[in-house]
Amino acid sequence: EAGVAQSPRYKIIEKRQSVAFWCNPISGHATLYWYQQILGQGPKLLIQFQNNGVVDDSQLPKDRFSAERLKGVDSTLKIQPAKLEDSAVYLCASSLAPPGSGNEKLFFGSGTQLSVL
Amino acid sequence: RKEVEQDPGPFNVPEGATVAFNCTYSNSASQSFFWYRQDCRKEPKLLMSVYSSGNEDGRFTAQLNRASQYISLLIRDSKLSDSATYLCVVSLNDYKLSFGAGTTVTVRA
Repeated sequence: EAGVAQSPRYKIIEKRQSVAFWCNPISGHATLYWYQQILGQGPKLLIQFQNNGVVDDSQLPKDRFSAERLKGVDSTLKIQPAKLEDSAVYLCASSLAPPGSGNEKLFFGSGTQLSVL
Repeated sequence: RKEVEQDPGPFNVPEGATVAFNCTYSNSASQSFFWYRQDCRKEPKLLMSVYSSGNEDGRFTAQLNRASQYISLLIRDSKLSDSATYLCVVSLNDYKLSFGAGTTVTVRA
């Protein structure tokens, strides 16, 4: 079974530049998550999709971050403009169904390590 | 109070030792509980779900204490390969999961 695919693996940009990350979840997984993980901390949820609808984006800094999941499959996360504090690993995860369903096991991609200089 | 709190460690133990650590959660209505393992510079992977009656998977035992609102993970006969960060994950309602900051375990030869 193919896993969650993410790209790029690494990205280095200067502050105020823009960056985009791409995620292809496991086929058939309705729930897709974007997490931000700063070194030494646990993953922090940025946005959660159920199919192509947003379930939770309460912790997404909407003045600079945006995400979409057109057609309920692939997803992109964009940062514009980037700040120094955005340096982190951005993890995409998918699950067959949402939490509480019994099928909420998360499968993570390898992540994108972003460095903002 | 944080939604999910873990002792960051590190727990530094010799091979063969037993190590145990807890995770506390703030929402008494939480229903689902999990332990994920994250190796250095890798993505998290599910280690085990935590059931009300407690459950065991080989050398790993997970327990849930609803009255005191914590879950625990015990590792018996520690192996070098058990060195990792263990993330506690709790469902806060029917659709949201929250991660703890992780407990680091280092098993030394």
